[in-house]
Amino acid sequence: QVQMVQSGAEVKKPGASVRVSCKASGHTFTGYSVHWVRQAPGQGLEWMGWITPNSGATNFAQKFQGRLTLTRDTSIDTAYMELSRLTSDDTALYFCARISPTGWFGDYWGQGALVTVSS
Amino acid sequence: EIVMTQSPATLSVSPGERVTLSCRASQSVSSNLAWYQQKPGQAPRLLIYGTSTRATGIPARFSGSGSGTDFTLTISSLLSDDFAVYYCHQYDHWWTFGQGTKVEIK
Repeated sequence: QVQMVQSGAEVKKPGASVRVSCKASGHTFTGYSVHWVRQAPGQGLEWMGWITPNSGATNFAQKFQGRLTLTRDTSIDTAYMELSRLTSDDTALYFCARISPTGWFGDYWGQGALVTVSS
Repeated sequence: EIVMTQSPATLSVSPGERVTLSCRASQSVSSNLAWYQQKPGQAPRLLIYGTSTRATGIPARFSGSGSGTDFTLTISSLLSDDFAVYYCHQYDHWWTFGQGTKVEIK
């Protein structure tokens, strides 16, 4: 079955960068775009950007321009999200989500990766 | 950016009750509207897409309606498993989410 399995929790200091991975299985990785969404503690869902694994094309929410890098490794069916210049406001649960074949929404989501930014 | 506004923020209900959640978009999103259910510490679970199509495995007590800017999620008879936060989500122009409606036990 389709699964998106993310890497584990991270603790980072302010100013550092973090990279979260999202490994896809049960479907053709290059056939479906992957979106990234985050959720600060007790808050709602915030869209960050997406990557098309086939071409590597990316798009980002304006808020994250210049600080967010999305990449993929098609040899291991894995997408990556890297966020730089971290502040305490970046403490959140980071999710990846596969785009459905029937519309531009997320049908299968990773379990989330908690990133804590603390000095 | 399309802003999604959900109401109410919190809904206190008893099991067995009918529940109606509202979502309004700041501009038309056509029928490109989905609903998710989220429980603490879990990923969002897709309930409805295309405004009214239930996702695979979602029971018939969940239904969606609306078009353009105004949308509704209805749970016909609430079960204990349905107490959660519900998010509407537009995917007509990039992605944005509503702030969520928490359905709690009365």
